[in-house]
Amino acid sequence: QKEVEQDPGPLSVPEGAIVSLNCTYSNSAFQYFMWYRQYSRKGPELLMYTYSSGNKEDGRFTAQVDKSSKYISLFIRDSQPSDSATYLCAMTGNNNDMRFGAGTRLTVKP
Amino acid sequence: GAGVSQTPSNKVTEKGKYVELRCDPISGHTALYWYRQSLGQGPEFLIYFQGTGAADDSGLPNDRFFAVRPEGSVSTLKIQRTERGDSAVYLCASSHDRGAYNEQFFGPGTRLTVL
Repeated sequence: QKEVEQDPGPLSVPEGAIVSLNCTYSNSAFQYFMWYRQYSRKGPELLMYTYSSGNKEDGRFTAQVDKSSKYISLFIRDSQPSDSATYLCAMTGNNNDMRFGAGTRLTVKP
Repeated sequence: GAGVSQTPSNKVTEKGKYVELRCDPISGHTALYWYRQSLGQGPEFLIYFQGTGAADDSGLPNDRFFAVRPEGSVSTLKIQRTERGDSAVYLCASSHDRGAYNEQFFGPGTRLTVL
């Protein structure tokens, strides 16, 4: 079993839809939880990070962490075609040694 | 300012050959990481440098893989006797420091194809 599980999709939604992405993990030592966006043939770029359990909102993006269930989510409201990319969850403990999910490939259709 | 840069962007080699992949981190970042990303997978940690020293090389898959960072800035990932299974995108990232959480900034990667 992988430390971080993420459904690779692909996921296709119409423009304006609410997108829900999620990951589960097994290592209870993880404390920092990140979502990265990766466009084709580019490196990952950080969207959001959250420390421990709770919610964090940034514009159209909301990240949720439930440490008791070892489950994290990213919600995208009013999705746009420019949001089409692969979304990677990542997490780490105190040593910045990140573990990534497989990534979910999202397409937002105009 | 400039981000993390990696050269070459693409590398095609034959099985058994030696390759070097270069990473230029963000100026002033003391921590540097190498990851490997296979098709349809997330990045997989290979090695981490703090300054000039390899502080954690637990992700290197075998002794054909080696990395250096002699002056604490540019790093080179070296792969000997390449195999077809080494084909992947090799990503480099840097952060201001390690410890707790420091945002890692990624380069665009080097796409390695071993024929």
